[in-house]
Amino acid sequence: KNEVEQSPQNLTAQEGEFITINCSYSVGISALHWLQQHPGGGIVSLFMLSSGKKKHGRLIATINIQEKHSSLHITASHPRDSAVYICAALPPGNQFYFGTGTSLTVIP
Amino acid sequence: DAGITQSPRHKVTETGTPVTLRCHQTENHRYMYWYRQDPGHGLRLIHYSYGVKDTDKGEVSDGYSVSRSKTEDFLLTLESATSSQTSVYFCAISLSPIYEQYFGPGTRLTVT
Repeated sequence: KNEVEQSPQNLTAQEGEFITINCSYSVGISALHWLQQHPGGGIVSLFMLSSGKKKHGRLIATINIQEKHSSLHITASHPRDSAVYICAALPPGNQFYFGTGTSLTVIP
Repeated sequence: DAGITQSPRHKVTETGTPVTLRCHQTENHRYMYWYRQDPGHGLRLIHYSYGVKDTDKGEVSDGYSVSRSKTEDFLLTLESATSSQTSVYFCAISLSPIYEQYFGPGTRLTVT
């Protein structure tokens, strides 16, 4: 049983489109982490948030603690955004639970 | 980028042999983690360390052991490798659990 669910599993978009990736979790959490994994395999941290909203360049992450839901938005998507996006929830304790990822392909 | 290296990057080994993977950091982060990544599963925690000689189990710790004798190194050992341990293994570091984690490049392990 996975505590963290992501949707959609796969997403194809045209360059320039606004993209939303969703993450829902079933337990109370201390923080939520968004990560990016490129086809080469490397995993990069995008955001860590426990409330509200964070923005970095074209990426925006939001979280609603009461609804146990977070979203990652990409504005003006670009082919270089093609990657797997992973969310991870941190319940009280030291252990993150990871979603299975959303595979994004942005077509020129 | 956080200074994290993993060695080896690729390894093929036979069932029943012992295998040790190494994670090395130059960031002086207190927490270190070993994960495995398999198709259809999210990253799953094997073991983690919260200081020198301080380790704890994750959700998939059976068949694995770890050691941390100094801050910068965290070793993952498969005492007797099995085919089910074929996977990509990632090491990660963080200042504390509520801070973001930084990942190493991964080790692809194949057990034949």
